[in-house]
Amino acid sequence: NAGVTQTPKFQVLKTGQSMTLQCAQDMNHNSMYWYRQDPGMGLRLIYYSASEGTTDKGEVPNGYNVSRLNKREFSLRLESAAPSQTSVYFCASSEAPLLNTEAFFGQGTRLTVV
Amino acid sequence: AQSVTQLDSQVPVFEEAPVELRCNYSSSVSVYLFWYVQYPNQGLQLLLKYLSGSTLVESINGFEAEFNKSQTSFHLRKPSVHISDTAEYFCAVRIASKIIFGSGTRLSIRP
Repeated sequence: NAGVTQTPKFQVLKTGQSMTLQCAQDMNHNSMYWYRQDPGMGLRLIYYSASEGTTDKGEVPNGYNVSRLNKREFSLRLESAAPSQTSVYFCASSEAPLLNTEAFFGQGTRLTVV
Repeated sequence: AQSVTQLDSQVPVFEEAPVELRCNYSSSVSVYLFWYVQYPNQGLQLLLKYLSGSTLVESINGFEAEFNKSQTSFHLRKPSVHISDTAEYFCAVRIASKIIFGSGTRLSIRP
């Protein structure tokens, strides 16, 4: 059981380049999330998708776009990367809101923008 | 707006000493509360959760947390820590589909 799978695990980008972080879950969860983790800041919610076909902004959405491709997949796109987006990105998923369960996390993507 | 505050960014303790990691939240609606742990160079794992019922919840490795609605707190405690508890701990709240985290507390254990 793979759980939540993120690709790539590491990436270096030049300022202004674009890229898409991929996330897939095999737990049949309805909700999916993207977070960034920075030292001293904890995890900050970028975007989330409560269910297939919906997406909502989180705490720090600027500079990012997301696509909920289907129930399994939720991608995060950086259109024009900036050094301030250097971070570790985590994707997570959870069951339907009414079940109020915890989030399950992927192993993270370490992104460096130079 | 909802928020989660972890009052201590770092907590150093001696091995076998007790520890408390503090978490306060702010929300105008009912919340569900979690503690996650992140060991060095790893992802996040659920430590324990409060959904309803008894306000005291326990994990399998000796941690416990108590939900206090009047003080809007969910502090994490362990009566005797071990070197293997060295990690960063994150408090989180869930409001409907949204899950937000605190800034984390780094627990360091001294022999």
